[in-house]
Amino acid sequence: EAQVTQNPRYLITVTGKKLTVTCSQNMNHEYMSWYRQDPGLGLRQIYYSMNVEVTDKGDVPEGYKVSRKEKRNFPLILESPSPNQTSLYFCASMPGGGLYNEQFFGPGTRLTVL
Amino acid sequence: DQQVKQNSPSLSVQEGRISILNCDYTNSMFDYFLWYKKYPAEGPTFLISISSIKDKNEDGRFTVFLNKSAKHLSLHIVPSQPGDSAVYFCAARPNPLRETSYDKVIFGPGTSLSVIP
Repeated sequence: EAQVTQNPRYLITVTGKKLTVTCSQNMNHEYMSWYRQDPGLGLRQIYYSMNVEVTDKGDVPEGYKVSRKEKRNFPLILESPSPNQTSLYFCASMPGGGLYNEQFFGPGTRLTVL
Repeated sequence: DQQVKQNSPSLSVQEGRISILNCDYTNSMFDYFLWYKKYPAEGPTFLISISSIKDKNEDGRFTVFLNKSAKHLSLHIVPSQPGDSAVYFCAARPNPLRETSYDKVIFGPGTSLSVIP
């Protein structure tokens, strides 16, 4: 089944404790992206990657890191989480290079930073 | 400054009637528009899209209308069903031939639709 998977689905952590949220897709998509969803603000892009070893900042990259060493994986790293990073996070993937492509989203990771 | 706006945070509609969800954008470089639907505890799923060369695109009960001069699009759902109750996100992408960051998709804040049986 074609899908985007994220782990963990739920995470409660404390300020400053490094964490990684994994994202994997099995559709051989070039493009992957991370979003956070907050009430009243919708989906805001954190980072995106147009291919292996190519990453770029989205609209709200501060406090986050990403890497794209393999095509299928795009982990989101919070080196020193803070309470303002409490949010619902979505990973997405999309075929690259096309004019009219839609994104496929993972099920979401709900992160709480205490 | 939000480039994609959905000014109605919520909308309630009676089953069988028409639902109209609106979206406005400010960036004239946007060339391709998408609607996503999101149920609680799930990721958004693609619903319907429209490119700027069209003013209407229809898929079953869902129709999207684009008014480029007004920088406005709308999603019509006819007839509305209880299973349509979800959050709907409008999204926009720049023209890939005119904008190098064409894969940077901008989402609106969403409209929560409730269809009442």
